[in-house]
Amino acid sequence: DAEITQSPRHKITETGRQVTLACHQTWNHNNMFWYRQDLGHGLRLIHYSYGVQDTNKGEVSDGYSVSRSNTEDLPLTLESAASSQTSVYFCASNGGRDTEAFFGQGTRLTVV
Amino acid sequence: ILNVEQSPQSLHVQEGDSTNFTCSFPSSNFYALHWYRWETAKSPEALFVMTLNGDEKKKGRISATLNTKEGYSYLYIKGSQPEDSATYLCASKRGSSNTGKLIFGQGTTLQVKP
Repeated sequence: DAEITQSPRHKITETGRQVTLACHQTWNHNNMFWYRQDLGHGLRLIHYSYGVQDTNKGEVSDGYSVSRSNTEDLPLTLESAASSQTSVYFCASNGGRDTEAFFGQGTRLTVV
Repeated sequence: ILNVEQSPQSLHVQEGDSTNFTCSFPSSNFYALHWYRWETAKSPEALFVMTLNGDEKKKGRISATLNTKEGYSYLYIKGSQPEDSATYLCASKRGSSNTGKLIFGQGTTLQVKP
């Protein structure tokens, strides 16, 4: 069965370190998204991609970057982790048109 | 409106009660409206994807309606059960069919007491 997986599931890192969260999907979807979940804010869009070599900034992109070198993967990098980036991160993908999005299991990141 | 807004933020009902939530979204450049169910410690799962004004969709005891001209959607749960307890998210998709980012509301958290 097709799926979307995130790794790691939990990560603790120190302020100032670079951190990369992985997202891998086997749906062959062109569209991939990264969201962060914080109390009172729901899911906020960080970055998204419509295909290989395409990346776009979302509403809360400062301090984050993504790259899309193939269809399956959209890694999210925190260039210099800050305590404000402590959150739960969700990756999602969808096939475009009027299709639903599928979510990974989430990565809980703590920056100390 | 420019943001996706949901109300109420939380809701507590008794088992057997029927309930409904509201999602307000930008009506300009509308493409689709999604509803997701999100249980604690799990990932959001899609309930409905709606694209046409006047659309009504149903899955078991859960149904949804869509008004794209005025920018709102209602989600109804008939005869709520404890297993319906979850956060319900709506998301607006604007722009073209193959692209268009999904912007989520803050969610409505439903607690159904036995």
